[in-house]
Order: sequence, then structure tokens, then C-alpha cells
Amino acid sequence: ETGVTQSPTHLIKTRGQQVTLRCSSQSGHNTVSWYQQALGQGPQFIFQYYREEENGRGNFPPRFSGLQFPNYSSELNVNALELDDSALYLCASSLGASGLYSGTQYFGPGTRLLVL
Amino acid sequence: AQRVTQPEKLLSVFKGAPVELKCNYSYSGSPELFWYVQYSRQRLQLLLRHISRESIKGFTADLNKGETSFHLKKPFAQEEDSAMYYCALHSGAGSYQLTFGKGTKLSVIP
Repeated sequence: ETGVTQSPTHLIKTRGQQVTLRCSSQSGHNTVSWYQQALGQGPQFIFQYYREEENGRGNFPPRFSGLQFPNYSSELNVNALELDDSALYLCASSLGASGLYSGTQYFGPGTRLLVL
Repeated sequence: AQRVTQPEKLLSVFKGAPVELKCNYSYSGSPELFWYVQYSRQRLQLLLRHISRESIKGFTADLNKGETSFHLKKPFAQEEDSAMYYCALHSGAGSYQLTFGKGTKLSVIP
């Protein structure tokens, strides 16, 4: 069984740039959720993808967007980067999109993004 | 709106002492509650969920709907319990979002 992987591990960008973060879900999981974790805070839900469709979204602006591919891997794209986007971005996969299975999530190691 | 509150940022206990990590939630329906843990240099992982009513690594948590709490307890702390603990709420069937508290760092003093 392969766990959740994320790439890259670290990234430095400048304000106004665009970034793409990648996530491979755990084997057998069809749902991917993305979280932003600022320093000293808990993970904050960005959005979830289920079977290639956005299934729900947290309180993040449209410049945060994503994709899910047929193999259930996923990308998080952030346009027009701002200094406050500096954070750890976590990807989590789950067996289902709702109910009990969705709450049991398997996390990747995260991508640390620094915006200068 | 759903919210999870963990009032303690840091909790220090001596090895062998009891541990209680507090979690309170705000949600009008029937939530599902979870505890996630992050050990040093490891990824966030599920510790336990209320619906399973299980004990993992000696930890238990009981959902108290009257007090809207889901405190994590262990009778005798071990050094390897030192970690960051996050309480999380899932609003059940039809929902997709996991809402986390800010976390409590548990430090077990040898």
C-alpha cells in the first residue's frame, strides 16, 4: 500500500507569481482534500476533489484552484501569490467523499511554500 | 458554522502522570469527532475517532454532546506521547469538510 506523497517538499516564490503543488493519493482512495496550515495554526480546509470534480470548498478565494486526474492524483494551483500564502500545504486522501470515510483522512508530508 | 476549540497551546506533564487534552466544538447537528496526532518529523495521522469507541496507544476520548466536548485522556503519560495533537470535527453524512482546532503541544517530562 502506497501512502500519500506530495511534491515538491519546499518552494520559494515571489509575490504575484503562480505555483502548482502536486499530490498522489493513497492506493485505492478516490477523494483528495487540500489544507493550508499557517504557522501555529491547525490545518484549514481549502477544497476537496471527488472523482475529478470539486466536491466542496472552504473560505478561500478563486485564485486557489485545483484538479483531480483519472488516477485520483491532484494539483493545487495558486495564482497571484500573496505574502500570506506562505504556509504548509497538506494533501489528504480518503476512501469516500462524505460520511465516516471522509473524516478518516490520510495525510501527505506537505509542501512548505514561502512567498517573498 | 462549525468550530473546534483547543484551549491549551502547550501542555506539560511528568511521565506517569494522567493527561487530558481538551477539545470543545460548536456544531448544531450530530458531528463526528476525531483526534489527529503529529509526532516530530512525521506526518499528521489519525489517532482515534469517537464512533469507533476504541483505545489507541492508551488514549481514549468520549463525546459529550451536552458539554460539546471531546477531551482526549490517558491515565499514564509516556515520553513517546510527546507530540502535537489536533482535534477535528466532521459534520457527518453529506459533508466533506474536516475542521481542525489549533492544536495542543503535549510535552512529557521524563
